[in-house]
Amino acid sequence: DTEVTQTPKHLVMGMTNKKSLKCEQHMGHRAMYWYKQKAKKPPELMFVYSYEKLSINESVPSRFSPECPNSSLLNLHLHALQPEDSALYLCASSHRHGRTQETQYFGPGTRLLVL
Amino acid sequence: SQQGEEDPQALSIQEGENATMNCSYKTSINNLQWYRQNSGRGLVHLILIRSNEREKHSGRLRVTLDTSKKSSSLLITASRAADTASYFCATDERETSGSRLTFGEGTQLTVNP
Repeated sequence: DTEVTQTPKHLVMGMTNKKSLKCEQHMGHRAMYWYKQKAKKPPELMFVYSYEKLSINESVPSRFSPECPNSSLLNLHLHALQPEDSALYLCASSHRHGRTQETQYFGPGTRLLVL
Repeated sequence: SQQGEEDPQALSIQEGENATMNCSYKTSINNLQWYRQNSGRGLVHLILIRSNEREKHSGRLRVTLDTSKKSSSLLITASRAADTASYFCATDERETSGSRLTFGEGTQLTVNP
């Protein structure tokens, strides 16, 4: 299984809502990533988990809260988002997160619209 | 963080022609990777070239790396309509080793049937 899955595919939420994005991989990868991508722009790194521990937080606002319950699952909890947070949210995984960056395997993304 | 720059931003060719995309970066790297993204979808890894390699092939893809010029190119030969996508280079910068891939701005390739 070389697939990263993400749910939901689409999400519309109001600024007062709380929602969660989910990501799952069964490749035995120990590094997982959240990226944000705006239209016609490259992905921007948000968070990196390595061996279920938060390794990198790219100064992401606290309204985004990541969670890694186990080595196969990665969640992104959303609360009190702003319309400018509307974007494609991509999850990725790699064998490990170390001195050299390896191939990352991306999920199909969740398209988020904040009203 | 520094980002690679890709050239051209957009490329439109006919099916069967070759497509060349270029990527420049600013710092020393461990490796450089190319990814492809179909509209609104996830990225798919195409090829990884290490800093001590100069050329790599994978099917219809050919990647070159010139570390002295801090540039890379991706050549797609005999293009197909299904190659229509955005192509991103991503660098593993040595100075931020162990941290992140830095993606370029991307090239939007359109292959007309």
